[in-house]
Amino acid sequence: GQQLNQSPQSMFIQEGEDVSMNCTSSSIFNTWLWYKQEPGEGPVLLIALYKAGELTSNGRLTAQFGITRKDSFLNISASIPSDVGIYFCAGQLGDSWGKLQFGAGTQVVVTP
Amino acid sequence: SAVISQKPSRDICQRGTSLTIQCQVDSQVTMMFWYRQQPGQSLTLIATANQGSEATYESGFVIDKFPISRPNLTFSTLTVSNMSPEDSSIYLCSVVYAQETQYFGPGTRLLVL
Repeated sequence: GQQLNQSPQSMFIQEGEDVSMNCTSSSIFNTWLWYKQEPGEGPVLLIALYKAGELTSNGRLTAQFGITRKDSFLNISASIPSDVGIYFCAGQLGDSWGKLQFGAGTQVVVTP
Repeated sequence: SAVISQKPSRDICQRGTSLTIQCQVDSQVTMMFWYRQQPGQSLTLIATANQGSEATYESGFVIDKFPISRPNLTFSTLTVSNMSPEDSSIYLCSVVYAQETQYFGPGTRLLVL
């Protein structure tokens, strides 16, 4: 079953605001991935994290792999309307190479 | 990143029929997977498509319902057999390509009536 808890479930923000979401787990993961999915599309990889404590940026996106290896967060700075979508965290257990467990997703709505 | 295509992109099927979904990658990849995304839900792993051997299924998924083929390192198929309305979902293939990063195809949207 799903072991990842992702929050918040949804966010309604104004353009220019920052967005923060996180995922926690009772299990230790050796990889954290963050994806964005828009309607009618498959998930698109945003950021991949491979080491505990790793902090990685991709443009206005920043994600961190928690020190305990049981959590990760994603920040979006200065949101714009095209940031609208559902953001998923995904984790890979150490003994399950390639098999991802997904969070429930955070729906982001940006209003001009 | 790898370029992944899926066929068909969407379909409407009658219950009791079967549909085969194709996944094509533009380069050889080590691992391929099939996921299901039910309406409004997150992604759930169905199986690992193993090249040249039987797929490895996750709990709750069986070969008779979701037979999978992977004849080479760039292609795989997933069949949804004896469909019912509960099988209405998005079916996605994914690949692990370089640096152990996983990418997803655009998905196949299936509606079963």
